[in-house]
Amino acid sequence: QKEVEQNSGPLSVPEGAIASLNCTYSDRGSQSFFWYRQYSGKSPELIMFIYSNGDKEDGRFTAQLNKASQYVSLLIRDSQPSDSATYLCAVIGVAGTYKYIFGTGTRLKVLA
Amino acid sequence: NAGVMQNPRHLVRRRGQEARLRCSPMKGHSHVYWYRQLPEEGLKFMVYLQKENIIDESGMPKERFSAEFPKEGPSILRIQQVVRGDSAAYFCASSPLQGPVNEQFFGPGTRLTVL
Repeated sequence: QKEVEQNSGPLSVPEGAIASLNCTYSDRGSQSFFWYRQYSGKSPELIMFIYSNGDKEDGRFTAQLNKASQYVSLLIRDSQPSDSATYLCAVIGVAGTYKYIFGTGTRLKVLA
Repeated sequence: NAGVMQNPRHLVRRRGQEARLRCSPMKGHSHVYWYRQLPEEGLKFMVYLQKENIIDESGMPKERFSAEFPKEGPSILRIQQVVRGDSAAYFCASSPLQGPVNEQFFGPGTRLTVL
């Protein structure tokens, strides 16, 4: 079992719709969770992080964390073609050196 | 405030040569992480450094790879005797502090091609 799993996609949604991206993790002691966006050929850019159960909203983005079920999700409201990218979930595991463990990413396509 | 800087952006080496990748963290950041991204794969942690200290190198291959972060100057990832399988994008990230909320900011990456 991979430590951090994401559906590779592509996930296709029409412009204006809500895109829902999911991530599961195996280490129950994981502390913090991060969502990055990576355009093709570019570096990852941080969208948001979450470390408490529940929802966290930032503009069109909402991160949801459920530690009991070991999943974290990212919702993108009013999806735009410019949101088309690969979304990477990163997890910090049990207390240690705070290195990220990344999923392989979900490719999102927003259709105009 | 400049972001994380990496150079070179593209590096071409022949098999057996050495590759040196440099990373300057964001101003005020003292924690540096190196990741490798193979084509069509996710990012894999390689090493975590603070000034003059390697904190965690659990992701580094045992041979040919080394990293340093000297008191002065950038962090350097060094790959000796490169092989074709080393071709990848190498990203450096920095963070201002260590803790559960450890936002890491990534540089533009160095794309290494081994011929």
